[in-house]
Amino acid sequence: AQSVAQPEDQVNVAEGNPLTVKCTYSVSGNPYLFWYVQYPNRGLQFLLKYITGDNLVKGSYGFEAEFNKSQTSFHLKKPSALVSDSALYFCAVRDPSSGGSYIPTFGRGTSLIVHP
Amino acid sequence: DAGITQSPRHKVTETGTPVTLRCHQTENHRYMYWYRQDPGHGLRLIHYSYGVKDTDKGEVSDGYSVSRSKTEDFLLTLESATSSQTSVYFCAISESTLTGPNPEQYFGPGTRLTVT
Repeated sequence: AQSVAQPEDQVNVAEGNPLTVKCTYSVSGNPYLFWYVQYPNRGLQFLLKYITGDNLVKGSYGFEAEFNKSQTSFHLKKPSALVSDSALYFCAVRDPSSGGSYIPTFGRGTSLIVHP
Repeated sequence: DAGITQSPRHKVTETGTPVTLRCHQTENHRYMYWYRQDPGHGLRLIHYSYGVKDTDKGEVSDGYSVSRSKTEDFLLTLESATSSQTSVYFCAISESTLTGPNPEQYFGPGTRLTVT
């Protein structure tokens, strides 16, 4: 079985400060990991993914995420937050060894609020 | 949201009436998915399709049916709408690779459904 947890419902950060949105996962094999962002009244947009290789993954809009196998984490980071980064962020996991369904499991989402 | 449209974008209906939501893609992707998004639950999979006339259930499929008669269209039907089906519904697509769907998904703009 696969599962993902986003332990914070909301993260508040001042503009210009670094931000971190946390995600931990549980799978039986090596995971595929994803981050998506949702702006108000919009669908989810793909930000970045980890499949294999370098543990630090760079994505859209200056975001990056670090895969940590020992801590089963995939935290989303950005060195300097912008007010326009305020949105809902979803982490997702897929276990490629799980068989034919290929369906990811999404976390409950973390609301990021960047204050001017 | 490019390449994926959902209709209607908003709908209010009464308990007990049938409702059909449409997802249309112009990307010619093989895999299509229907999710619902509710506060505190994140995204939950309702049904998905891995080809024309090939569909399967997700984790919250009770009360929903789907059909896919063409690659570009995936319909979600609520046979007899209930208030618990008030939600925002998202369609998603993903490409196919030699070993299955491409890991990341691309989402439509969503349909806000209210059942009174």
